[in-house]
Amino acid sequence: EAQVTQNPRYLITVTGKKLTVTCSQNMNHEYMSWYRQDPGLGLRQIYYSMNVEVTDKGDVPEGYKVSRKEKRNFPLILESPSPNQTSLYFCASSPGVYTDTQYFGPGTRLTVL
Amino acid sequence: AQSVSQHNHHVILSEAASLELGCNYSYGGTVNLFWYVQYPGQHLQLLLKYFSGDPLVKGIKGFEAEFIKSKFSFNLRKPSVQWSDTAEYFCASRRDGGATNKLIFGTGTLLAVQP
Repeated sequence: EAQVTQNPRYLITVTGKKLTVTCSQNMNHEYMSWYRQDPGLGLRQIYYSMNVEVTDKGDVPEGYKVSRKEKRNFPLILESPSPNQTSLYFCASSPGVYTDTQYFGPGTRLTVL
Repeated sequence: AQSVSQHNHHVILSEAASLELGCNYSYGGTVNLFWYVQYPGQHLQLLLKYFSGDPLVKGIKGFEAEFIKSKFSFNLRKPSVQWSDTAEYFCASRRDGGATNKLIFGTGTLLAVQP
């Protein structure tokens, strides 16, 4: 089944403890992206990747890192999480870069205490 | 800067009522427009999209949307809602041919359909 998967789905952690949220797609998509969803703000893009080893900042990249060593995986790294990073995170992918619809993963609800 | 506005934050309807959710975008160039739906506890799913051509777009589950360029609008409609349409609805835009494929989302409209 074609899908975008994320792990973990739920995570509670403490300030400063490094964490990684994984994202994987099995559709051979070139483009992948991370968004965060906050009440009243909709979804905002954190980082995106147009292909392997090609990543760039979105609108709210502060406090996050990403890597794209393989086409299928696009992990989101929080080196030192803070409470303002408590949010719902979505990974998305699309076949191409410019005109294709994005497909979203199931989301990861992160709470930073 | 590119932005998307959804004016209805919460909508409550009874089953069989008609639905129209407003969406306005700000970019003056060529845009691609989307409506996504998020059912409780689930991920975003694409309802419909507009890239070019017929401005009246039909999507899944009986939804449709009309692109009106002069009004910078892309309102979502459904003639008769069901309880199962209870969800949050997001309008999104993207610059056609843009370098980043970035979607700009509205703040969402929470729809509650009462049986």
